[in-house]
Amino acid sequence: DIQMTQSPSSLSASVGDRVTITCRASQSISTYLTWYQQKPGKAPKLLIYPASNLQSGVPSRFSGSGSGTDFTLTISGLQPEDFATYYCQQSYDTPYTFGQGTKLDIK
Amino acid sequence: QVTLRESGPALVKPTQTLTLTCTFSGFSLTTSGMCVSWIRQPPGKALEWLARIDWDNDKYYSTSLKTRLSVSKDTSKNQVVLTMTNMDPVDTATYFCARVMGCGSRGTSDYWGQGTLVTVSS
Repeated sequence: DIQMTQSPSSLSASVGDRVTITCRASQSISTYLTWYQQKPGKAPKLLIYPASNLQSGVPSRFSGSGSGTDFTLTISGLQPEDFATYYCQQSYDTPYTFGQGTKLDIK
Repeated sequence: QVTLRESGPALVKPTQTLTLTCTFSGFSLTTSGMCVSWIRQPPGKALEWLARIDWDNDKYYSTSLKTRLSVSKDTSKNQVVLTMTNMDPVDTATYFCARVMGCGSRGTSDYWGQGTLVTVSS
């Protein structure tokens, strides 16, 4: 199985900050990497796939980059609604696997 | 408009078999490249991918759970069914189903159900 490792596992930031979350795959997954945002009690929301393609309706302050094994999610100018948990997932090969999540909270 | 909804028991006893149904609309599982995945999330923990069924009836399972999982589809009812045998308290989680668009070309889950919480307890 492909292992996905996210860092950090938690992150405190302020409104207006720029934050970066990283995701590393245990083998090359090309750009078959998805970023999700999840709020408490809700289903994950698709933000970016593949790797750097912003989904329709997602604010442009979100951006993704990377290929191969190393990926980043950047949020530029944090808004109050961005405080949530973020997950990466690879869809290069089954079984699809998720990172362990990064909880972003307010400093 | 794509929607998915999970249904099934909220409480199961240890050693029982769990059966969950995902009822969807807005797409067809007879369409090439369309698939449905199951994902779960224990309370306060990370997402865990469980299984996928494809438009051509190919099936894929979590390596660690594959001996306990089975997935099937009823295209006439727009439903996908997940069964998990020998339930244990560690299987307590919210179970989600999600559409996978372009799964034949390594697509991703773009629409998710709201999830259903399953508690395993005697």
